[in-house]
Amino acid sequence: DTAVSQTPKYLVTQMGNDKSIKCEQNLGHDTMYWYKQDSKKFLKIMFSYNNKELIINETVPNRFSPKSPDKAHLNLHINSLELGDSAVYFCASSQDQGFADYGYTFGSGTRLTVV
Amino acid sequence: QKEVEQDPGPLSVPEGAIVSLNCTYSNSAFQYFMWYRQYSRKGPELLMYTYSSGNKEDGRFTAQVDKSSKYISLFIRDSQPSDSATYLCAMKPSGGSYIPTFGRGTSLIVHP
Repeated sequence: DTAVSQTPKYLVTQMGNDKSIKCEQNLGHDTMYWYKQDSKKFLKIMFSYNNKELIINETVPNRFSPKSPDKAHLNLHINSLELGDSAVYFCASSQDQGFADYGYTFGSGTRLTVV
Repeated sequence: QKEVEQDPGPLSVPEGAIVSLNCTYSNSAFQYFMWYRQYSRKGPELLMYTYSSGNKEDGRFTAQVDKSSKYISLFIRDSQPSDSATYLCAMKPSGGSYIPTFGRGTSLIVHP
């Protein structure tokens, strides 16, 4: 049973298109996140949701819009894709907003390539 | 200067070697220190977690925190080819933002 699952795993699309990435967790965690990992492996937080409520929104272009229909799901929609959006996008979840020693559980990532 | 510095490597060692992976940081408010392991084409997974200074041991892995030097280490004893992965350190303050700051990861290759 996959704890945090993302779809699709790979996404190749043209500049200017709109695309969505879906994430689901079956751990019962109350906080979910989107991270972007660039080609140099830096992991940067994009958004954080706690019980369907947006609590962190880092400096991300407003072409990126997260949506959380319930606390087990956090989707990411990207409008007007640009070459610089090419990266691996990770969904993660945690209990208690990441306090104590639970850490984060990450999905396997969605490798987005914009051509 | 980035808040968390980590040499990207790669670090190549023979099987059975003791591996030392390190991070330095500049924010003295960091209190929670974590190590994540990331296999190729996978998401990071939490390996070890320590609070404040000191050592923590878990099997072949030992995490060490030296807050006076703003330096953390992960030691791997008797390294195995299956330990080949990227190791990311992460840290966060005890109050305020609970989002950890990640290092860029060190790529480790353990060859048979």
